Amino acid sequence: DIQMTQSPSSLSASVGDRVTITCQASQDISNYLNWYQQKPGKAPKVLIYDASNLETGVPSRFSGSGSGTDFTFTISSLQPEDIATYYCQQYDNLPPVTFGQGTKLEIK
Amino acid sequence: EVQLLDSGGGLVQPGGSLRLSCAASGFTFSSYAMSWVRQAPGKGLEWVSTITDSGTSTYYADSVKGRFTISRDNSKNTLYLLMNSLRAEDTAVYYCARGRYCYGPWGQGTLVTVSS
Repeated sequence: DIQMTQSPSSLSASVGDRVTITCQASQDISNYLNWYQQKPGKAPKVLIYDASNLETGVPSRFSGSGSGTDFTFTISSLQPEDIATYYCQQYDNLPPVTFGQGTKLEIK
Repeated sequence: EVQLLDSGGGLVQPGGSLRLSCAASGFTFSSYAMSWVRQAPGKGLEWVSTITDSGTSTYYADSVKGRFTISRDNSKNTLYLLMNSLRAEDTAVYYCARGRYCYGPWGQGTLVTVSS
C-alpha cells in the first residue's frame, strides 16, 4: 500500500500568515492527490483535487502543488475560519485509497 | 442542492451486525461511484469501501474485507454498508461520500460504537 506522510502534525500560526503543509508519498503517485479540510465536528470538504486544482467555490487563498512523491498545500493568508484539520489523500492505486495522518491548524 | 444523509449507526456488541444507509438527493445518483470513509474517535480518516456507479464493482480496505458489504439501490438513490462480525476497532463515525477517487460532498456521518 502507498503510505502518505504528512507534516507537520500540528501547526500554530497568526492571522495573515502564509501556511504550508507537506505530504510525501511512499512511491510515485503522479498528481493523484487531493486535499481536504475538516472543521471540528463536521464532515471533511475537498479543497484541492489532482494536486493543484481548486474545487469550485473554494477561496483562492488555498492552493496546492507538486507531483510524483512530494506535494505542498498552502494558505496564502490565514483567516480565522481556516481553523481545521487538513488531510492529503492519494488515489493512484485503488484499493486502497490512503490519507495522510492530518495537520491540525490553530490560530496563535 | 447536493445532499447525503447518513443513518443507521448505534451501539452494537462485538460480533454483531449493523446496516448503514446513505440517502442521496440533488444529483443523478446512478451516475456516480460512492464510497464510505470512517474516522475513529480522535483519529484520522480511513477509507473503507467504494462501489462503482452501476454497482458492478466493489472495493474494500483489508481491515473490513470479508466482513463488510457495500451495495446500492439506484432506484432509491441509496447507498448501504452492511457490517458483520463487528469489532471494537470498528468504532468510528462512518461517512458516505460521492466519488471513487475524490470525495465530495460527504454525509454528516453516523456513529457506530462496538462495545459490550
